[in-house]
Amino acid sequence: GENVEQHPSTLSVQEGDSAVIKCTYSDSASNYFPWYKQELGKRPQLIIDIRSNVGEKKDQRIAVTLNKTAKHFSLHITETQPEDSAVYFCAASQPGWDKIIFGKGTRLHILP
Amino acid sequence: NAGVTQTPKFQVLKTGQSMTLQCAQDMNHNSMYWYRQDPGMGLRLIYYSASEGTTDKGEVPNGYNVSRLNKREFSLRLESAAPSQTSVYFCASSEAGRRGGSDEQFFGPGTRLTVL
Repeated sequence: GENVEQHPSTLSVQEGDSAVIKCTYSDSASNYFPWYKQELGKRPQLIIDIRSNVGEKKDQRIAVTLNKTAKHFSLHITETQPEDSAVYFCAASQPGWDKIIFGKGTRLHILP
Repeated sequence: NAGVTQTPKFQVLKTGQSMTLQCAQDMNHNSMYWYRQDPGMGLRLIYYSASEGTTDKGEVPNGYNVSRLNKREFSLRLESAAPSQTSVYFCASSEAGRRGGSDEQFFGPGTRLTVL
């Protein structure tokens, strides 16, 4: 079955700097890659997603890139702000699936 | 719209006790999910239901049962709770499976369960 690996498990960056979180997936049939953000004590919420027919997608300060050949995708956050502190989860899904498989998460700390 | 709701918010059980976690959504979604979240382990899928009347096992189904009562409600039952089931449980729903539907999952607020 599909396996999603996520790195690093913890990341600290200075406010204003960029943060990058990387994920790899095992099954080349996967074609949908969402990213969820979970603030402390809150529920996970979708922040951006990408499908395999696109190499990059951007939404203001966040962007996701996908390399199908290498089977990895990354979340990029630029000009980080205190409110970006949270746990971020990558995930993968396949055509015909009604489920997604999550990575183990990255705890992002934005340092003042 | 309330979105996805879960009850209870907190629960403490003794080993061997049983309980049912309730979940309901008012977004007319076909698909519903139960996850558990443990430190360092991410969100692991316990069971899911792609439509009313169907349920499927996820990654960690042992020790749990589910019921898709109707399109709105999806419950998770622990028949004989064990300390290893101490976790935060999230219910979610999505349009996945419906033609043209979004794959975005909407999560409930979670249930924090402690088994002593």
